Amino acid sequence: KAGVTQTPRYLIKTRGQQVTLSCSPISGHRSVSWYQQTPGQGLQFLFEYFSETQRNKGNFPGRFSGRQFSNSRSEMNVSTLELGDSALYLCASGEGRYEQYFGPGTRLTVT
Amino acid sequence: GENVEQHPSTLSVQEGDSAVIKCTYSDSASNYFPWYKQELGKRPQLIIDIRSNVGEKKDQRIAVTLNKTAKHFSLHITETQPEDSAVYFCAASRLNPSNTGNQFYFGTGTSLTVIP
Repeated sequence: KAGVTQTPRYLIKTRGQQVTLSCSPISGHRSVSWYQQTPGQGLQFLFEYFSETQRNKGNFPGRFSGRQFSNSRSEMNVSTLELGDSALYLCASGEGRYEQYFGPGTRLTVT
Repeated sequence: GENVEQHPSTLSVQEGDSAVIKCTYSDSASNYFPWYKQELGKRPQLIIDIRSNVGEKKDQRIAVTLNKTAKHFSLHITETQPEDSAVYFCAASRLNPSNTGNQFYFGTGTSLTVIP
């Protein structure tokens, strides 16, 4: 099976803009989780979607949102970007029970 | 919510020696504990995991132990090789049987360097 894919791989935005990141899970996986990875904070959980429903949400401001489509592909949106949003954004897919597998990530730089 | 602590943050070992990374968790309901290896510039890769009904699991040179009473779990790498050099993350998850969704809480990572 093809692995988890994420687009774009790199992105540069300016403060105040918004951005949309995309994640395509492994075929058959219905769960997609999003994480923010920064050198100081490690992997921080953003939210998890399962069959188009947000099941869990981490402690991030409302500027961070997401959705999942019927084909399990997921998008994450960040509005009104701040410098502190610069990070590697990883998505992970799974069957919704145990193992989850990560995509290559999207490196977002906010200037 | 769950809190996962990981130690040490950096670890250097000589090639051939063993490496041990320890994690503690706070939520006694957590029941799934994976370990990920992340090489520089690459995605985290699942290397081994353990469920709460098992005390130990081995896969070649890698093993994980779980102590539910003390709420800690450890990764053991034996006969380390230079290619083991990477950042290792532990995580804890509680699978909710009512909705099949789960949330993973990660440790802050251990940077392992294996010196040839």
